[in-house]
Amino acid sequence: DGGITQSPKYLFRKEGQNVTLSCEQNLNHDAMYWYRQDPGQGLRLIYYSQIVNDFQKGDIAEGYSVSREKKESFPLTVTSAQKNPTAFYLCASSLTGIAKNIQYFGAGTRLSVL
Amino acid sequence: RKEVEQDPGPFNVPEGATVAFNCTYSNSASQSFFWYRQDCRKEPKLLMSVYSSGNEDGRFTAQLNRASQYISLLIRDSKLSDSATYLCVVNSPGNTGKLIFGQGTTLQVKP
Repeated sequence: DGGITQSPKYLFRKEGQNVTLSCEQNLNHDAMYWYRQDPGQGLRLIYYSQIVNDFQKGDIAEGYSVSREKKESFPLTVTSAQKNPTAFYLCASSLTGIAKNIQYFGAGTRLSVL
Repeated sequence: RKEVEQDPGPFNVPEGATVAFNCTYSNSASQSFFWYRQDCRKEPKLLMSVYSSGNEDGRFTAQLNRASQYISLLIRDSKLSDSATYLCVVNSPGNTGKLIFGQGTTLQVKP
């Protein structure tokens, strides 16, 4: 089935540790996005990529890094510089990065700090 | 002022009721509008796009008022399965594909 796969579903980070969240899509979408959701809050954009080997910072990029080496994959690294990483992380993709294209989401990764 | 504002609720309604959610957005240059549904601890899923002329999908009707920068969602004959958080979503002008999400309105349908 076509879709967006995020792994792991749950992740625990120790102080000072970098962790990487995986996002893979087989929808042949050009654009991919990472969001963070805190309880009772809307989604906030961390990074987005409209094409392979290119990505842009979103509204809350500090403490995060990404890569887009393949069309299907857009991993997010939560670095030790992110002091409050506990949140629900959602990856999305869309056909292209234009206004009218609908974004589809993966099932998310819940990150907690040990 | 938030870019997309919604009343967080919760809205508690009996089965069969009609309920309406409202949303305002701040940037008049926004071009695309959506309602997403998010179940507890799940990912958001597209409920419907919102068109200028208004559009309907079964029990759901969405309206857009560009002059007032206002979007609405009407749910008729509420079902228990409609209980969820409804996210108002607006595109960020500039054709980057970026979306701006409201914090969501929680609906609880009671038997």
